[in-house]
Amino acid sequence: EIVLTQSPATLSLSPGERVTLSCRASQSVSSYLAWYQQKPGQVPRLLIYDASNRAPGIPARFSGSGSGADFTLTISSLEPEDFAVYYCQQCSDSNWLTFGGGTKVEIK
Amino acid sequence: EVQLVESGGALVKPGGSLRLSCAASGFTFNTVWMSWVRQAPGQGLDWLGRIKTKTDGGTTDHAAPVKGRFTISRDDSKNMLYLQMNGLKTEDTGVYHCVTDWGRGYFGSWGQGTLVTVS
Repeated sequence: EIVLTQSPATLSLSPGERVTLSCRASQSVSSYLAWYQQKPGQVPRLLIYDASNRAPGIPARFSGSGSGADFTLTISSLEPEDFAVYYCQQCSDSNWLTFGGGTKVEIK
Repeated sequence: EVQLVESGGALVKPGGSLRLSCAASGFTFNTVWMSWVRQAPGQGLDWLGRIKTKTDGGTTDHAAPVKGRFTISRDDSKNMLYLQMNGLKTEDTGVYHCVTDWGRGYFGSWGQGTLVTVS
């Protein structure tokens, strides 16, 4: 099983701030990594796939980077609707896809 | 518009069985890989398994924690996805979502889910 560790568990920020979320894999996943956003009461939404490609309809303020075992999701300037939980997911081991534990971005 | 509607969730005793269904519409179902993802109450996400299209062999992959207990199937003539769950455990409690799989494991569309409680 490829274990994904997300940090920090919670971030308290204000609108307009820049956000950097981390996802570290227990082994290399190449660039087969995705990021999802989940707001309370909603289903997850795919933001980024293949580590750095934005999914259709995702605003340009969201960007992903990294390869191998270390990845980052950056939100350039937090909008009020961006307060949510963010999950990373590896798709390298196609027999057992796994998610990180999530990072909650909350309003300071 | 892609629509995925799950059904079949219920309260079941440990060791019991349940079959979940997912009705798909708004896209060409038989051309899309499909997966099931579970979310325990207040917790993170667990991928349970996928089924490929018949063109790609129609094969299934199941995550280790559910292999041998859960079985995914599809009926392309009805645009339906299924999850047969046997030997249920209390830790299987959660909301079960069917999702469209972009073929690499990226989940583009999600159903609202159906709640399974094992107690």
